[in-house]
Amino acid sequence: DAGVIQSPRHEVTEMGQEVTLRCKPISGHDYLFWYRQTMMRGLELLIYFNNNVPIDDSGMPEDRFSAKMPNASFSTLKIQPSEPRDSAVYFCASSLVGQDTGELFFGEGSRLTVL
Amino acid sequence: DQQVKQNSPSLSVQEGRISILNCDYTNSMFDYFLWYKKYPAEGPTFLISISSIKDKNEDGRFTVFLNKSAKHLSLHIVPSQPGDSAVYFCAASGGNEKLTFGTGTRLTIIP
Repeated sequence: DAGVIQSPRHEVTEMGQEVTLRCKPISGHDYLFWYRQTMMRGLELLIYFNNNVPIDDSGMPEDRFSAKMPNASFSTLKIQPSEPRDSAVYFCASSLVGQDTGELFFGEGSRLTVL
Repeated sequence: DQQVKQNSPSLSVQEGRISILNCDYTNSMFDYFLWYKKYPAEGPTFLISISSIKDKNEDGRFTVFLNKSAKHLSLHIVPSQPGDSAVYFCAASGGNEKLTFGTGTRLTIIP
């Protein structure tokens, strides 16, 4: 299996621009998670889906952030408009069972820099 | 409000010695704990876990200890090897789907 695939690996954009990050989970996994990594806060859960349905988006920082999962093999995280404080590494992860008992498989991350 | 804390941002250990990484948590509802390892430019990978009904879990060179009364867990690596140099994240969950991570500890193994 190819693992969780994220794109782009790196994104540099200017403040105010729209950013879209993409994720393809491992085939057959029914949970998908979006995390953000910063030095100050470590890995923060932004949102997660079960069978393509958003279950908890309480970690999404504000209305500028939105996530969708139109089908079992694709998800997007969108930031509009982007701000310099959104600069971070964004990880997508998937799992077969709920993350509290099952292993999470992470992608390689998308490093976002907002100037 | 950091519910999972890793107070040591970095740790250096001589090759062959024991590495001990620490993690504290504040939420008494947490009942499952995990450690993840992360190399540069890669995603975190699962390393070892422990349920709150146990106080120790061992997997090869890696052992996790849980002290529920102190709300503290630790990861022991023995003997430490150069390939263990990475960032280690502690994580916890409490009966729902959320996994709360700490800020990570960067471990450097000195040859």
